[in-house]
Amino acid sequence: RKEVEQDPGPFNVPEGATVAFNCTYSNSASQSFFWYRQDCRKEPKLLMSVYSSGNEDGRFTAQLNRASQYISLLIRDSKLSDSATYLCVVTPNTGGFKTIFGAGTRLFVKA
Amino acid sequence: ETGVTQSPTHLIKTRGQQVTLRCSSQSGHNTVSWYQQALGQGPQFIFQYYREEENGRGNFPPRFSGLQFPNYSSELNVNALELDDSALYLCASSLGASGGNIQYFGAGTRLSVL
Repeated sequence: RKEVEQDPGPFNVPEGATVAFNCTYSNSASQSFFWYRQDCRKEPKLLMSVYSSGNEDGRFTAQLNRASQYISLLIRDSKLSDSATYLCVVTPNTGGFKTIFGAGTRLFVKA
Repeated sequence: ETGVTQSPTHLIKTRGQQVTLRCSSQSGHNTVSWYQQALGQGPQFIFQYYREEENGRGNFPPRFSGLQFPNYSSELNVNALELDDSALYLCASSLGASGGNIQYFGAGTRLSVL
């Protein structure tokens, strides 16, 4: 089992749609959680951190469920510019630094 | 822009050669992490340097080594290159080595091994 698993995608949605991505992680002692966005042939960029209480940034909402070991990202009112790969990132508590990225979920938003 | 710069942007090497990739961290950041990203995959953590010391390492063989300098810039060295080393190599800088710190990525070095 992979340490971090994401919906395989791709997701193809029309503009204005609501889309949700899920990510599960295997290490229950994981400490920090993020969603990054990566455009084609570009570097990953932080979209948002994920907090236990859930957090929202405009059209984006992230949730963390520690009991079930998954995090989610909800995008409302999708825009063409949201087309990208969304990477789930988990930092387990291993004593030394380690970051685990999921394989990413590709989103295509079409007009 | 993140303020993290990597060089070179592209590199072609042959199997068995050695390569050095460079990364300048964002001003004020004392931590650099290196990642390998194969096509269609997420970035894989190679190692992290914090204040010139290796602070964590992923599942990469010893032929992947690194350095961090007093100005916090960093190098990734790969010896005895293999075809599977062909990938995008990303560095990320952060303020501190905690897992909660946000990482800012450079644009990467695309390495092709023939």
